[in-house]
Amino acid sequence: QQQVKQSPQSLIVQKGGISIINCAYENTAFDYFPWYQQFPGKGPALLIAIRPDVSEKKEGRFTISFNKSAKQFSLHIMDSQPGDSATYFCAASIEGSQGNLIFGKGTKLSVKP
Amino acid sequence: DAGVIQSPRHEVTEMGQEVTLRCKPISGHNSLFWYRQTMMRGLELLIYFNNNVPIDDSGMPEDRFSAKMPNASFSTLKIQPSEPRDSAVYFCASSLALGGGFYEQYFGPGTRLTVT
Repeated sequence: QQQVKQSPQSLIVQKGGISIINCAYENTAFDYFPWYQQFPGKGPALLIAIRPDVSEKKEGRFTISFNKSAKQFSLHIMDSQPGDSATYFCAASIEGSQGNLIFGKGTKLSVKP
Repeated sequence: DAGVIQSPRHEVTEMGQEVTLRCKPISGHNSLFWYRQTMMRGLELLIYFNNNVPIDDSGMPEDRFSAKMPNASFSTLKIQPSEPRDSAVYFCASSLALGGGFYEQYFGPGTRLTVT
């Protein structure tokens, strides 16, 4: 119930391509879905987040698509660049939980030049 | 702002020794989280505090692990005795949680622990 399942574990994309990472959840009480980006040797940092009252949120080359009925959400990185190579974590939270996030296992993205 | 500060950045110790990891959250933040990251298990929440009070410690692996937050600007995670399987990167994160709403967690740089 508390899990967030993330796939794939790793992803290799050519420069300029689209990177797609998927997450699924079971707990319908989740109402906040952020994505975190982690570079080697660093802590994760918030990249983009969405609430379930919208189906899509775009910030630059990064887009979250949200399907409430399927309990799935995904991160799309358009025009992927070598600098996007990092590990990406999806997460979910419940309003009022003092900021507690349930993280997916992470996806290691490599963008080849 | 200096961000979340963790020390030490690297720790190498022998099995059976006590290890203490330290965290200074961002000033003004009232929630603090300890995570452990390994290749096998990913990012695991160990414990989190709100207003210095432990809220959920269900992720603490066993009694060898303990965490304290004596005040709003300092927290420790202690492992005693340490074991090789405790080798991981330990992250501290903080956020400002004001009841309802959604809060970004700010992560520190992590402490890489190696237990030999």
